[in-house]
Amino acid sequence: AQSVTQLDSQVPVFEEAPVELRCNYSSSVSVYLFWYVQYPNQGLQLLLKYLSGSTLVKGINGFEAEFNKSQTSFHLRKPSVHISDTAEYFCAVTPSGGYNKLIFGAGTRLAVHP
Amino acid sequence: DVKVTQSSRYLVKRTGEKVFLECVQDMDHENMFWYRQDPGLGLRLIYFSYDVKMKEKGDIPEGYSVSREKKERFSLILESASTNQTSMYLCASSRDRVSNQPQHFGDGTRLSIL
Repeated sequence: AQSVTQLDSQVPVFEEAPVELRCNYSSSVSVYLFWYVQYPNQGLQLLLKYLSGSTLVKGINGFEAEFNKSQTSFHLRKPSVHISDTAEYFCAVTPSGGYNKLIFGAGTRLAVHP
Repeated sequence: DVKVTQSSRYLVKRTGEKVFLECVQDMDHENMFWYRQDPGLGLRLIYFSYDVKMKEKGDIPEGYSVSREKKERFSLILESASTNQTSMYLCASSRDRVSNQPQHFGDGTRLSIL
């Protein structure tokens, strides 16, 4: 079975500062990894995904994430955040080669302050 | 773009009522999912369906049932609503069973059971 741990439930940050949202996973098989974003009163939107190949993945809105197999991590980063990045971010995992069924972390609420 | 539409954004029902939540997708996706989202718990899978008239239990199916009579529509049914089913409900769809496919989400239904 797989599990996902998002290490911070809330991350406050000032506008234009860098941010890292941490995600660790547990799995006995190889996995695909996803980051989703949820803006207030909306559903989830895909930010980026790691399937294979380069461990640095670039997504929408200037976000990127790095897959680290040895540390079983998939941390999300942005070098300079905007007020509009205020949202909840979810890390998710699914076994590669398995069925399209995601296991989500508990979420990290990013609050960007002016 | 994929559009996943949930019939209600907000719903208030009474304990013991039978409640229907409807979801429609417009991209001919094979898979559809129902999640419930609670603070600090992330998204938890209730049921999913990979084909018309097919359904599979997710992680928390108790107290719920589903119906998929047409490919584009997936309904979640609360047979006898209880206060502990007050939550945000999210519907999602994905193209097929391959696990690297992203899921596309609706905007959610915030359900209150009084």
